[in-house]
Amino acid sequence: KNEVEQSPQNLTAQEGEFITINCSYSVGISALHWLQQHPGGGIVSLFMLSSGKKKHGRLIATINIQEKHSSLHITASHPRDSAVYICAVWASGSRLTFGEGTQLTVNP
Amino acid sequence: NAGVTQTPKFQVLKTGQSMTLQCAQDMNHEYMSWYRQDPGMGLRLIHYSVGAGITDQGEVPNGYNVSRSTTEDFPLRLLSAAPSQTSVYFCASGKDRQPQHFGDGTRLSIL
Repeated sequence: KNEVEQSPQNLTAQEGEFITINCSYSVGISALHWLQQHPGGGIVSLFMLSSGKKKHGRLIATINIQEKHSSLHITASHPRDSAVYICAVWASGSRLTFGEGTQLTVNP
Repeated sequence: NAGVTQTPKFQVLKTGQSMTLQCAQDMNHEYMSWYRQDPGMGLRLIHYSVGAGITDQGEVPNGYNVSRSTTEDFPLRLLSAAPSQTSVYFCASGKDRQPQHFGDGTRLSIL
C-alpha cells in the first residue's frame, strides 16, 4: 500500500461542476502539498497546509490530521483546470512522498 | 522573475555517456531538490540540499551525484547513463525545507 493514495485516478467533469479530489495518507505528517501539473509538464504548487483549510480563487484545500485525509475542491470548474493534481506529504526529514496524481478533464 | 530554471529541456544520451542537468533559482531559497517522474510511479526524490555545501540522498540516489557550491545552483550529474534513467527530471526550490517552486522539467532519453 502506498503511503499516499489519491482518488479518483481519473475524473471527467462538465464546465461549471464542483470537483473534489481526495488524498489519504498512512503516516503522521507535518505538512501536505497540492500540486498541479499541466499537459505541458510544468508543476505548480497550489497549497501547502498543515491544518484546517486554505482558499485561493476557485480552489479550496482542506485537511483533517486525525483522519489522515485531505481534499482539493474546485468550484465552477473550467476547461483550463484540466491537469493532473498531485498530493504530497511531508512526513519527516526533508523529503516529500507523492501520490500518483488525479487526471482531471473538464469539458466545455 | 525567472524562478527555477532548468536546462536543457530535452536530451538524448547513449548508454554510458555522462551529463549534467542544470538547475538555478533566483529566489535565495536554501532548499533545493531533484525529482524524477516516471509513469505509474509519481515523483520520487533523488537528492536534496538544505543550503550551500550541504547535500543529502533522497529515495532514488543511485547513479546520480549532486553538489551545492552556491545558493543559486544545484546541478544533477549522471556519471554513466543507463536506460533505466530515462525519465522526466524536475528541480524545485523553497523555504523551510519545502519545495514550493518547480522548474519546467528535463525530458531525458537514454538509448
